[in-house]
Amino acid sequence: DIQMTQSPSTLSASVGDRVTITCRASQSISNWLAWYQQKPGKAPKFLIYKASSLESGVPSRFSGSGSGTEFTLTISSLQPDDFATYYCQQYNTYSPTFGQGTKVEIK
Amino acid sequence: EVQLVESGGGLVQPGGSLRLSCAASGFTFSSYAMSWVRQAPGKGLEWVSAITASGGSTYYADSVKGRFTISRDNSRNTLHLQMSSLRAEDTAVYFCAKNIAAAGPLYFDYWGQGSLVSVSS
Repeated sequence: DIQMTQSPSTLSASVGDRVTITCRASQSISNWLAWYQQKPGKAPKFLIYKASSLESGVPSRFSGSGSGTEFTLTISSLQPDDFATYYCQQYNTYSPTFGQGTKVEIK
Repeated sequence: EVQLVESGGGLVQPGGSLRLSCAASGFTFSSYAMSWVRQAPGKGLEWVSAITASGGSTYYADSVKGRFTISRDNSRNTLHLQMSSLRAEDTAVYFCAKNIAAAGPLYFDYWGQGSLVSVSS
């Protein structure tokens, strides 16, 4: 299976900060990468697909980039609603795998 | 509005069986592949199984292969996960998730609220 590693595991930030989360794949996955946001006790919410394509309705402060093995999720100006855990997920194969998650908490 | 509502979770003894269901509405169920994704308490997300729109192909994580069976009833807009030989490490919230296409890339644009499965004696 392809292993996905996110960094950092936890990130402390303030409202208005620019935040970047990194996701690395154990082998090349081209741009077959999705990002999700999850709040405690809730289902994940779909944010980005194909590494950089924003799902309809997702605020434009979210953006994704990368290809091959290294990817980033950026929040340009952190809002109160953005404090949550973020997961990357590769779908290069019929055995999709998720990163371990990055918790964005209030500084 | 897309809705996915899981049911069937609960407490089961190791070695036991349980069947989860997911009732879908708000979209053409028979046109989309579906998956189950689980999350152990305090842990991350783990994909479990997927089934194509027609039900003709199924996929499983190595951790559940041979023990879990995914199926769907397109006439009733329902997805199922039959779980047997359950282990303590299967304890998790199980999410039903809608795929973005009939088959192909396995990523998920809608998720249910989850159903808790606890495996303990």
